[in-house]
Amino acid sequence: DGGITQSPKYLFRKEGQNVTLSCEQNLNHDAMYWYRQDPGQGLRLIYYSQIVNDFQKGDIAEGYSVSREKKESFPLTVTSAQKNPTAFYLCASSMLGQGASPLHFGNGTRLTVT
Amino acid sequence: KQEVTQIPAALSVPEGENLVLNCSFTDSAIYNLQWFRQDPGKGLTSLLLIQSSQREQTSGRLNASLDKSSGRSTLYIAASQPGDSATYLCAVLNPGNTGKLIFGQGTTLQVKP
Repeated sequence: DGGITQSPKYLFRKEGQNVTLSCEQNLNHDAMYWYRQDPGQGLRLIYYSQIVNDFQKGDIAEGYSVSREKKESFPLTVTSAQKNPTAFYLCASSMLGQGASPLHFGNGTRLTVT
Repeated sequence: KQEVTQIPAALSVPEGENLVLNCSFTDSAIYNLQWFRQDPGKGLTSLLLIQSSQREQTSGRLNASLDKSSGRSTLYIAASQPGDSATYLCAVLNPGNTGKLIFGQGTTLQVKP
Protein backbone atom coordinates (compact mmCIF):
# COMPACT_ATOMS: atom_id res chain seq x y z
CA ASP A 1 0.00 0.00 0.00
CA GLY A 2 1.21 3.46 -0.79
CA GLY A 3 1.65 5.92 2.01
CA ILE A 4 3.86 8.09 4.14
CA THR A 5 6.04 6.63 6.86
CA GLN A 6 7.32 8.75 9.70
CA SER A 7 9.80 7.43 12.20
CA PRO A 8 10.21 7.17 15.05
CA LYS A 9 6.73 7.55 16.54
CA TYR A 10 8.13 8.93 19.81
CA LEU A 11 11.46 10.69 20.27
CA PHE A 12 13.07 11.97 23.44
CA ARG A 13 16.08 14.27 23.47
CA LYS A 14 18.02 16.42 25.86
CA GLU A 15 18.06 20.16 25.38
CA GLY A 16 20.92 21.29 23.17
CA GLN A 17 20.96 18.21 20.96
CA ASN A 18 20.02 18.18 17.31
CA VAL A 19 17.57 15.51 16.24
CA THR A 20 16.43 14.30 12.80
CA LEU A 21 12.91 13.11 12.02
CA SER A 22 12.45 10.75 9.11
CA CYS A 23 9.76 10.98 6.43
CA GLU A 24 9.49 8.60 3.48
CA GLN A 25 6.72 8.35 0.88
CA ASN A 26 6.04 5.83 -1.86
CA LEU A 27 3.17 7.72 -3.47
CA ASN A 28 5.38 9.20 -6.19
CA HIS A 29 4.34 12.65 -5.01
CA ASP A 30 6.36 15.65 -6.09
CA ALA A 31 5.71 17.86 -3.09
CA MET A 32 6.46 17.18 0.55
CA TYR A 33 5.77 19.23 3.67
CA TRP A 34 6.59 19.42 7.35
CA TYR A 35 4.01 20.75 9.79
CA ARG A 36 4.15 21.28 13.51
CA GLN A 37 1.09 20.82 15.72
CA ASP A 38 0.81 22.16 19.27
CA PRO A 39 -2.15 21.60 21.63
CA GLY A 40 -5.03 23.95 20.87
CA GLN A 41 -3.39 25.26 17.71
CA GLY A 42 -3.78 24.46 14.07
CA LEU A 43 -1.00 23.03 11.96
CA ARG A 44 1.83 25.40 11.13
CA LEU A 45 4.06 24.91 8.10
CA ILE A 46 7.79 24.55 8.78
CA TYR A 47 9.27 23.75 5.35
CA TYR A 48 8.07 22.45 2.03
CA SER A 49 9.66 21.08 -1.11
CA GLN A 50 8.18 20.86 -4.58
CA ILE A 51 11.12 19.20 -6.29
CA VAL A 52 14.30 17.32 -5.45
CA ASN A 53 17.17 19.52 -4.23
CA ASP A 54 14.88 22.47 -3.66
CA PHE A 55 12.86 23.58 -0.63
CA GLN A 56 11.27 26.71 0.80
CA LYS A 57 10.74 28.04 4.30
CA GLY A 58 7.26 27.96 5.72
CA ASP A 59 5.86 30.16 8.45
CA ILE A 60 8.01 28.86 11.33
CA ALA A 61 11.31 27.68 9.79
CA GLU A 62 13.64 29.16 12.41
CA GLY A 63 15.56 26.45 14.26
CA TYR A 64 14.78 23.77 11.67
CA SER A 65 16.55 22.45 8.58
CA VAL A 66 15.58 20.03 5.82
CA SER A 67 17.04 18.27 2.80
CA ARG A 68 15.47 16.74 -0.31
CA GLU A 69 18.10 14.56 -1.94
CA LYS A 70 15.56 11.99 -3.12
CA LYS A 71 11.98 12.35 -4.24
CA GLU A 72 10.83 9.84 -1.65
CA SER A 73 12.55 11.33 1.38
CA PHE A 74 12.26 14.65 3.24
CA PRO A 75 14.01 14.50 6.63
CA LEU A 76 13.60 17.31 9.16
CA THR A 77 16.33 18.29 11.61
CA VAL A 78 15.31 20.08 14.78
CA THR A 79 18.35 22.02 15.87
CA SER A 80 19.36 23.32 19.28
CA ALA A 81 18.40 26.78 18.05
CA GLN A 82 14.70 25.89 18.12
CA LYS A 83 13.47 27.39 21.38
CA ASN A 84 10.37 25.25 21.93
CA PRO A 85 10.95 21.98 20.06
CA THR A 86 8.54 19.79 22.03
CA ALA A 87 5.61 19.19 19.67
CA PHE A 88 3.88 16.77 17.33
CA TYR A 89 5.50 16.82 13.89
CA LEU A 90 3.58 15.80 10.79
CA CYS A 91 4.95 15.10 7.33
CA ALA A 92 2.72 15.30 4.27
CA SER A 93 2.90 14.95 0.52
CA SER A 94 0.84 15.80 -2.53
CA MET A 95 0.89 15.85 -6.29
CA LEU A 96 1.58 19.22 -7.84
CA GLY A 97 -0.51 20.92 -10.44
CA GLN A 98 -3.51 23.18 -9.98
CA GLY A 99 -4.04 22.25 -6.35
CA ALA A 100 -6.33 19.37 -7.19
CA SER A 101 -4.55 16.81 -5.08
CA PRO A 102 -5.49 16.28 -1.45
CA LEU A 103 -2.70 16.25 1.09
CA HIS A 104 -1.64 12.86 2.45
CA PHE A 105 -0.22 12.72 5.96
CA GLY A 106 2.01 10.38 7.91
CA ASN A 107 1.14 9.34 11.46
CA GLY A 108 3.47 11.85 13.03
CA THR A 109 6.43 11.93 15.39
CA ARG A 110 5.99 13.21 18.91
CA LEU A 111 9.18 14.91 20.02
CA THR A 112 9.85 15.64 23.68
CA VAL A 113 12.89 17.70 24.65
CA THR A 114 13.83 17.99 28.30
CA LYS B 1 -3.29 37.34 5.21
CA GLN B 2 -5.60 34.36 5.06
CA GLU B 3 -7.03 33.22 8.39
CA VAL B 4 -9.17 30.14 8.96
CA THR B 5 -11.48 29.79 11.93
CA GLN B 6 -13.47 26.81 13.15
CA ILE B 7 -16.29 27.16 15.64
CA PRO B 8 -17.06 25.53 18.00
CA ALA B 9 -13.76 24.18 19.29
CA ALA B 10 -15.56 21.17 20.77
CA LEU B 11 -18.92 19.52 20.26
CA SER B 12 -20.66 16.62 22.00
CA VAL B 13 -23.76 14.99 20.51
CA PRO B 14 -25.78 11.81 21.06
CA GLU B 15 -25.45 8.99 18.56
CA GLY B 16 -27.70 9.26 15.53
CA GLU B 17 -27.86 13.04 15.46
CA ASN B 18 -27.17 14.96 12.27
CA LEU B 19 -24.60 17.70 12.81
CA VAL B 20 -22.81 20.56 11.09
CA LEU B 21 -19.24 21.72 11.59
CA ASN B 22 -18.33 25.23 10.52
CA CYS B 23 -15.26 26.71 8.86
CA SER B 24 -14.77 30.34 7.89
CA PHE B 25 -11.95 32.05 6.00
CA THR B 26 -11.11 35.71 5.55
CA ASP B 27 -9.90 35.78 1.92
CA SER B 28 -12.44 34.42 -0.54
CA ALA B 29 -9.85 34.03 -3.32
CA ILE B 30 -9.12 30.41 -2.50
CA TYR B 31 -8.10 27.63 -4.85
CA ASN B 32 -9.68 24.82 -2.88
CA LEU B 33 -10.78 23.82 0.59
CA GLN B 34 -10.13 20.50 2.28
CA TRP B 35 -11.68 18.79 5.29
CA PHE B 36 -9.55 16.40 7.34
CA ARG B 37 -10.13 14.03 10.23
CA GLN B 38 -7.55 13.48 12.96
CA ASP B 39 -7.76 10.73 15.55
CA PRO B 40 -5.84 11.23 18.83
CA GLY B 41 -2.09 10.86 18.35
CA LYS B 42 -2.46 10.21 14.63
CA GLY B 43 -1.91 12.04 11.38
CA LEU B 44 -4.63 13.64 9.31
CA THR B 45 -6.87 11.80 6.88
CA SER B 46 -8.31 13.71 3.95
CA LEU B 47 -12.12 13.50 3.88
CA LEU B 48 -13.25 15.85 1.14
CA LEU B 49 -11.69 18.36 -1.21
CA ILE B 50 -13.81 21.10 -2.78
CA GLN B 51 -12.45 23.08 -5.71
CA SER B 52 -13.22 26.78 -5.79
CA SER B 53 -15.58 26.23 -8.72
CA GLN B 54 -17.63 23.63 -6.82
CA ARG B 55 -20.43 24.14 -4.33
CA GLU B 56 -20.29 20.82 -2.53
CA GLN B 57 -18.77 17.36 -2.32
CA THR B 58 -20.22 14.19 -0.84
CA SER B 59 -18.70 11.01 0.48
CA GLY B 60 -20.94 8.53 2.24
CA ARG B 61 -22.52 10.24 5.26
CA LEU B 62 -20.36 13.32 4.78
CA ASN B 63 -21.30 16.38 2.77
CA ALA B 64 -19.13 19.49 2.53
CA SER B 65 -20.38 22.76 1.10
CA LEU B 66 -18.50 25.84 0.02
CA ASP B 67 -19.70 29.43 -0.22
CA LYS B 68 -16.72 31.49 -1.35
CA SER B 69 -18.55 34.79 -1.39
CA SER B 70 -19.32 34.56 2.31
CA GLY B 71 -16.03 32.81 3.18
CA ARG B 72 -17.71 29.78 4.68
CA SER B 73 -17.71 26.02 4.45
CA THR B 74 -19.72 23.47 6.37
CA LEU B 75 -19.18 19.77 6.95
CA TYR B 76 -22.45 17.92 7.43
CA ILE B 77 -22.33 14.51 9.12
CA ALA B 78 -25.50 12.47 8.87
CA ALA B 79 -26.60 9.90 11.44
CA SER B 80 -23.51 10.35 13.60
CA GLN B 81 -21.83 7.30 15.14
CA PRO B 82 -19.37 6.90 18.04
CA GLY B 83 -16.71 6.06 15.45
CA ASP B 84 -17.06 9.59 14.09
CA SER B 85 -15.50 10.93 17.29
CA ALA B 86 -12.33 12.76 16.24
CA THR B 87 -11.00 16.23 15.52
CA TYR B 88 -12.09 17.71 12.20
CA LEU B 89 -9.90 20.32 10.53
CA CYS B 90 -10.50 22.46 7.50
CA ALA B 91 -7.76 24.00 5.40
CA VAL B 92 -7.70 26.37 2.44
CA LEU B 93 -5.27 26.68 -0.43
CA ASN B 94 -4.72 30.13 -1.88
CA PRO B 95 -3.78 30.62 -5.53
CA GLY B 96 -0.03 30.76 -6.01
CA ASN B 97 0.71 28.83 -2.82
CA THR B 98 0.87 25.39 -4.37
CA GLY B 99 0.21 22.84 -1.65
CA LYS B 100 0.72 25.34 1.14
CA LEU B 101 -2.48 24.89 3.12
CA ILE B 102 -3.69 27.20 5.86
CA PHE B 103 -5.41 25.28 8.64
CA GLY B 104 -8.10 26.09 11.14
CA GLN B 105 -7.66 24.98 14.74
CA GLY B 106 -10.17 22.16 14.43
CA THR B 107 -13.41 21.06 16.04
CA THR B 108 -13.20 18.10 18.41
CA LEU B 109 -16.33 15.98 18.08
CA GLN B 110 -17.55 13.44 20.61
CA VAL B 111 -20.47 11.21 19.66
CA LYS B 112 -21.94 9.51 22.72
CA PRO B 113 -23.51 6.04 22.41
